[in-house]
Amino acid sequence: ETGVTQTPRHLVMGMTNKKSLKCEQHLGHNAMYWYKQSAKKPLELMFVYSLEERVENNSVPSRFSPECPNSSHLFLHLHTLQPEDSALYLCASSQDPAQGNTEAFFGQGTRLTVV
Amino acid sequence: GESVGLHLPTLSVQEGDNSIINCAYSNSASDYFIWYKQESGKGPQFIIDIRSNMDKRQGQRVTVLLNKTVKHLSLQIAATQPGDSAVYFCAENNGYSTLTFGKGTMLLVSP
Repeated sequence: ETGVTQTPRHLVMGMTNKKSLKCEQHLGHNAMYWYKQSAKKPLELMFVYSLEERVENNSVPSRFSPECPNSSHLFLHLHTLQPEDSALYLCASSQDPAQGNTEAFFGQGTRLTVV
Repeated sequence: GESVGLHLPTLSVQEGDNSIINCAYSNSASDYFIWYKQESGKGPQFIIDIRSNMDKRQGQRVTVLLNKTVKHLSLQIAATQPGDSAVYFCAENNGYSTLTFGKGTMLLVSP
């Protein structure tokens, strides 16, 4: 158990559906991240939140919409996804990057299948 | 562009052998590197890290070596066990805690 919990673990959704992925961290960290992991590709950083403010958005399509209501919770809202968006979505957290300790702790991921 | 990559996609070893997984990075300004282990159906787990002011760091059964001259990172696992079978990723910190990951190496340990 890494202290980062993601729900649901598995999700199947149609291209016209709207769903949300949830992440919660119990580590007292100030930064949270969404990564996408596709087969045969490196982990792709999607969004970074530091102290509840979005600090990085790596050219992610608008059909992915993050939300960080507080430093312990992170959501990824999904709508009108494409089959190529099927992947493992990983949430991670770390201490305030300004402190120099930048180890990231990952959740178990949500396996998303878009049909 | 900047990249972090792995030399070998799959490494097969016998139980009890020592394993060495290699990683090349291209950003000479990177100052922090991490090795992660990802088992099937799980998220990546931190194994060991190293900062650029060091060239070697040891943990329990694992050692990370950093060669800044050739921008090379390696992970050594002593007395490899079946439970070590997983995908191993190296990652570099590019200045703001946004890690750049390599593609990963699959380690297969045979009993």
